[in-house]
Amino acid sequence: GDSVTQTEGPVTVSESESLIINCTYSATSIAYPNLFWYVRYPGEGLQLLLKVITAGQKGSSRGFEATYNKETTSFHLQKASVQESDSAVYYCALASITGNTGKLIFGLGTTLQVQP
Amino acid sequence: AQTIHQWPVAEIKAVGSPLSLGCTIKGKSSPNLYWYWQATGGTLQQLFYSITVGQVESVVQLNLSASRPKDDQFILSTEKLLLSHSGFYLCAWSAQGKDSDYTFGSGTRLLVI
Repeated sequence: GDSVTQTEGPVTVSESESLIINCTYSATSIAYPNLFWYVRYPGEGLQLLLKVITAGQKGSSRGFEATYNKETTSFHLQKASVQESDSAVYYCALASITGNTGKLIFGLGTTLQVQP
Repeated sequence: AQTIHQWPVAEIKAVGSPLSLGCTIKGKSSPNLYWYWQATGGTLQQLFYSITVGQVESVVQLNLSASRPKDDQFILSTEKLLLSHSGFYLCAWSAQGKDSDYTFGSGTRLLVI
């Protein structure tokens, strides 16, 4: 079946440092699945951070970037300079196909703690 | 603009007691609706989906049931809670079409004791 593996947390970085959260996927239900990064800030629900539906393309939002690499089946999340407000749980996900609808397959989530 | 509202925000329930969680989507007709669940230390997994009123498909068997009594409403319930039901429940919607985004509610945190 489809699966997503991402960096185990917690990940702790200092403010203004760079960040990379690794994500690799395995997709059997669909050749080139849509890929997502979701974020959950403390006390809030899940928000879409960025999405890429075409292999080889890059998505970006709020200073975060991720490139859809079909050769390495990866979708790593990067940011050049993190802020304390980036502290949250980050989930990598792919859109799988189930019958006549889809479902998101999530990784376990990576807790990011940014120290001031 | 579409809004998604989930209730309650949190619950502490006894083993064997009933449960009902709700979700309402406003501003979008005929959405696909989903229930997701995350156990402590586990990943988010889809429990149910519905593409039309009155029809719900189960994805994972957890002794829970779901219903869609109206186009904009999705209910998750059980008559007897288990300890293993504890976790975080999220309702979500998407439009029809494989490239549609999924929008999530703010979630319900459930603790079964």
